[in-house]
Amino acid sequence: AQKITQTQPGMFVQEKEAVTLDCTYDTSDPSYGLFWYKQPSSGEMIFLIYQGSYDQQNATEGRYSLNFQKARKSANLVISASQLGDSAMYFCAMRESRETSGSRLTFGEGTQLTVNP
Amino acid sequence: KAGVTQTPRYLIKTRGQQVTLSCSPISGHRSVSWYQQTPGQGLQFLFEYFSETQRNKGNFPGRFSGRQFSNSRSEMNVSTLELGDSALYLCASSFGTDSNQPQHFGDGTRLSIL
Repeated sequence: AQKITQTQPGMFVQEKEAVTLDCTYDTSDPSYGLFWYKQPSSGEMIFLIYQGSYDQQNATEGRYSLNFQKARKSANLVISASQLGDSAMYFCAMRESRETSGSRLTFGEGTQLTVNP
Repeated sequence: KAGVTQTPRYLIKTRGQQVTLSCSPISGHRSVSWYQQTPGQGLQFLFEYFSETQRNKGNFPGRFSGRQFSNSRSEMNVSTLELGDSALYLCASSFGTDSNQPQHFGDGTRLSIL
């Protein structure tokens, strides 16, 4: 079974608008971390934001926020005030405990975001 | 603070050859992981090293191997290269191996097999 599911292969947003990228996950491990990464066409993977399974509040980092709904097992990324430079592939990833998966990152298939001027 | 450095950035090899990729983690980071990214399979975990010990290995054949040195720098080696090994190889480092530790990635090595 897929551990990380990103159902939106591609998304389009107008510059300065907000956009939500969906991510659902599957784990029975009570301790896990959820991460979002941005990958521009040049290839580097840029860490954006982290949410821990025990965190009570949603994570925020500048224009990025994470809408964490634990009961639904979803961790959607919200980008506010989109900029042209936000155009990239976005990956949701999960890191479970060492006992469960040896602390590897498991990635979703990604969402290609295009910001239109 | 310098980021994760991977060398070389690009590499072209032919079938049957072998290749060694290098990764220098962020200073102070002791965990290094390697991932393979292809259009068909996405991002797949290769292996993880911590304090010179391989802690975890993904589902790849024995042709893929790696090691970590005492300064936390890591190398991965692929022997008897196949066309399907063409991919972007990404190295990531983190301070520790707990689930709350983000992994920070290098720019990757793009390997092409002719």
